[in-house]
Parts: sequence; C-alpha cells; structure tokens
Amino acid sequence: EAGVAQSPRYKIIEKRQSVAFWCNPISGHATLYWYQQILGQGPKLLIQFQNNGVVDDSQLPKDRFSAERLKGVDSTLKIQPAKLEDSAVYLCASIIAGGDEQYFGPGTRLTVT
Amino acid sequence: KNQVEQSPQSLIILEGKNCTLQCNYTVSPFSNLRWYKQDTGRGPVSLTIMTFSENTKSNGRYTATLDADTKQSSLHITASQLSDSASYICVVGDYGQNFVFGPGTRLSVLP
Repeated sequence: EAGVAQSPRYKIIEKRQSVAFWCNPISGHATLYWYQQILGQGPKLLIQFQNNGVVDDSQLPKDRFSAERLKGVDSTLKIQPAKLEDSAVYLCASIIAGGDEQYFGPGTRLTVT
Repeated sequence: KNQVEQSPQSLIILEGKNCTLQCNYTVSPFSNLRWYKQDTGRGPVSLTIMTFSENTKSNGRYTATLDADTKQSSLHITASQLSDSASYICVVGDYGQNFVFGPGTRLSVLP
C-alpha cells in the first residue's frame, strides 16, 4: 500500500512570494489533514477535509493561506504572500473513514527568507 | 481547553540505557492516546495506541502506559539504540477524528 505522498520536499522562497504544496493521501482515505510544524514544536492543525468538504479550518490564517480538495482525493495548500514566520514543515496526513490512525506524509520543509 | 503537555522537552541518554517520557492531557472527550516517533526530516509514525480501557501496550522495546483517571501516559524505551534518536509525540484523539498534539520530546541517544 502506497503511503501519503507530498511534494515538493523542500522549498525556499523570499517573503511576499507565493508557494503551493501538494498532497496525495492513501487511496480510499476520506479524511485529509494539513498541519504546520514549526521547529521544535508539535504539529498544529491548519485544515481538515472530509472528502471534498472542509470540517475544520478554524486555525487557518485565511488572509494568506488557502487549501482545496476539489475531487476528494489529492489536495493543495497555498500561501500567498509568504511571511518569515511561515518557515516550517507542512505535513499532510490521511485517515480512513471511522479509523483512528493518521498516516503522515514526509512533509514539505518551507524556508522563507 | 484541550491540551497535551509532554516532559521533558529534551533528553540525552547513552546507548543501552532506558528512559521514560511523560505525557499529560486535558482532552475531552477522550477516545484514544497514541505515541508517534518522528525522525528528523520525516513525518510521524505510530508506535502505540491505547483506548480508555487499556493501561499498557508494548511494541518491541517501546512500552506505553495510560492512567485515564489522572490523564497521564508514559512511554518507556528499553535498551536504547542510536536509531531511537528522534522526537516522540503524544497525541490524544476524540471520537470525531480530531487530534490534539503534544509538543514532543526530543531524544538523543549517544554512543
């Protein structure tokens, strides 16, 4: 069984630029999460999808962050414009309907200079 | 407020030694508690999961305990190896696939 795929693995941009991350969850996993993990901290939930609907985006900075999961499969997370404090690892996770174990991708390490 | 705390923040031990990591939570409702291992540059990987009725669960050299009354959990690592160097994250889940993450404990195992 293939795991959660994310790309790119690394990205370096200047502040005020835009960036997009992609996630392909495990096949059949209905729920998808995007997390932000700042160095030395635990993951912080940005947005949770159930199929193509948003379940929780209360901690998503909506003035600059957006995410979509149009067909209920893969998802993109965008930051526009980026700030220095956005430097972090962005993790994608998925979970099967009714399940209790999240499966994580390798993450995208973003550096904003 | 739903919260998960972990201690210590970081730990350095010598190869072959044992160690115990702590997790306290105030998450409600409680469904399960999971310990993850996160190697540098990788996503977290599940080590153990415990539900309300379980008070211990082992996975090789890793043993997790849960006291649902005091809302505390521990992860004990026996005979540590260099490959155990990683962050260990405690995560509490409710019944709605919502998860609260702790900040993690950074473990360094030295030769």
